[in-house]
Amino acid sequence: DAKTTQPTSMDCAEGRAANLPCNHSTISGNEYVYWYRQIHSQGPQYIIHGLKNNETNEMASLIITEDRKSSTLILPHATLRDTAVYYCIVMIYNQGGKLIFGQGTELSVKP
Amino acid sequence: GAVVSQHPSWVICKSGTSVKIECRSLDFQATTMFWYRQFPKQSLMLMATSNEGSKATYEQGVEKDKFLINHASLTLSTLTVTSAHPEDSSFYICSAQDRETSGGAQTQYFGPGTRLLVL
Repeated sequence: DAKTTQPTSMDCAEGRAANLPCNHSTISGNEYVYWYRQIHSQGPQYIIHGLKNNETNEMASLIITEDRKSSTLILPHATLRDTAVYYCIVMIYNQGGKLIFGQGTELSVKP
Repeated sequence: GAVVSQHPSWVICKSGTSVKIECRSLDFQATTMFWYRQFPKQSLMLMATSNEGSKATYEQGVEKDKFLINHASLTLSTLTVTSAHPEDSSFYICSAQDRETSGGAQTQYFGPGTRLLVL
C-alpha cells in the first residue's frame, strides 16, 4: 500500500495561499491521490483528487509532480474557516477504493 | 450534491445495550459504504467495507459479531454496536462511494459522524 508523509502542522496567514505538501514515493501507476480535510468534530470533507495531471476546482488546486512521487494542495486564499486537519491519501485501487488515513497536517490559519 | 447523512448525531447509552447508527446517501446511489471509528486526537480508523446486498468485510482486529453491518439498499447502511461497553465510546463516521465512477476514481463522501458515549 502506498504510504503518504505529511508535515504534522503548518501555519498560514489569512488571505495568503496555503501550500500543503505530501510525499507518496511508492505510489503505483493506477492509484489516485485524494485530499480530504476534517474540521474539528465533523466528518471529513472531500477536497480534490488527481491521477497524473494537475487539477483545480472551486476549493483548491492539486499539483502532482511528473514522477508522481509527491503532490501539493494549494488553497489560494486561506480563510479562518480553512483551519482543519488535511489528509493526503492514496486510494488503493485494487481493494475496492479503500482510504487509509494517516495523521494528516494540522493547518492553522491565523488573522 | 454528494450528501451523506448519519443518524443519530449523538447517542448516550447504558453499558450492555445495543446501539444502531444509520448512514444514508441522500442524492446518489452507493454500491459501497465504509465505516470508520475515531478516538480523540487520533486519525480515522477503517472498521469495515459494506457492499450492497452482501456481507461486510471487516478490517483486522475489528470484531464482526460486535459491530454488525447491514447494507440493505443502495442508499442505506447501518452499524449496530452490540452489547456496548465504555471502551466502545468513540466518534463513528460512515462514507459512501459514488456509484458513478469517473475513469477509475471512486470518490468517497463522508457523513457528519455519530458520537457514542457508553456509560
